[in-house]
Amino acid sequence: QVQVVQSGSELKKPGASVQISCKASGYTFKTYAMNWVRQAPGQGLEWMGWINTNTGNPTYAQGFRGRFVFSLDTSVSTAYLQISSLRAEDTAVYYCARAGSSFSFVYWGQGTLVTVSS
Amino acid sequence: DIQMTQSPSSLSASVPDRVTITCRASQSINNYLNWYQQKPGKAPKLLIYAASSLQSGVPSRFFGSGSATDFTLTISSLQPEDFATYYCQQTYSAPWTFGQGTKVEIK
Repeated sequence: QVQVVQSGSELKKPGASVQISCKASGYTFKTYAMNWVRQAPGQGLEWMGWINTNTGNPTYAQGFRGRFVFSLDTSVSTAYLQISSLRAEDTAVYYCARAGSSFSFVYWGQGTLVTVSS
Repeated sequence: DIQMTQSPSSLSASVPDRVTITCRASQSINNYLNWYQQKPGKAPKLLIYAASSLQSGVPSRFFGSGSATDFTLTISSLQPEDFATYYCQQTYSAPWTFGQGTKVEIK
């Protein structure tokens, strides 16, 4: 069965960096794109962008260009989100989500809470 | 960017009410409209894709309809496990955008 498992919660100080992993199993990793979604505390869902798991080419939504980097290690079927120069407003749950029919987000990771606090 | 507007933002309902949530796109998105359910502390769950296709394993009381700019999610008979927040999403034109959510609460 398809599973998408993310790394655990992170507590970081402002200015630090964080890397979140998203490990997929149960399907051929390179077949489906991987999306990233942010959810700030008490807020809605915000699409950050996606990475083509076949070519490694990332696409970032406006607002997520510069400090946010999507990457892959296809040898272990894992996608990564790195956020640099963390700010308090980056505090959120970050989800990875595998694409499906009509680009819908079929399989979601459990979410990774990143807390940025001094 | 395509703006997605859901209404209402919240609603109170009882078991086994019929519940309807609407989603309007700022421009035509054909049928590239998906619906998700999110419970507190959990990841969203895909309910409906392509406006009206029921995702595998989702109960048939969930029904999606609409096209172009106006879409509806209907829960035909609300069950206790359906109290959650529902989001629409367009995947017609990047950036994919979500509605602001509709919280379905117990009356």
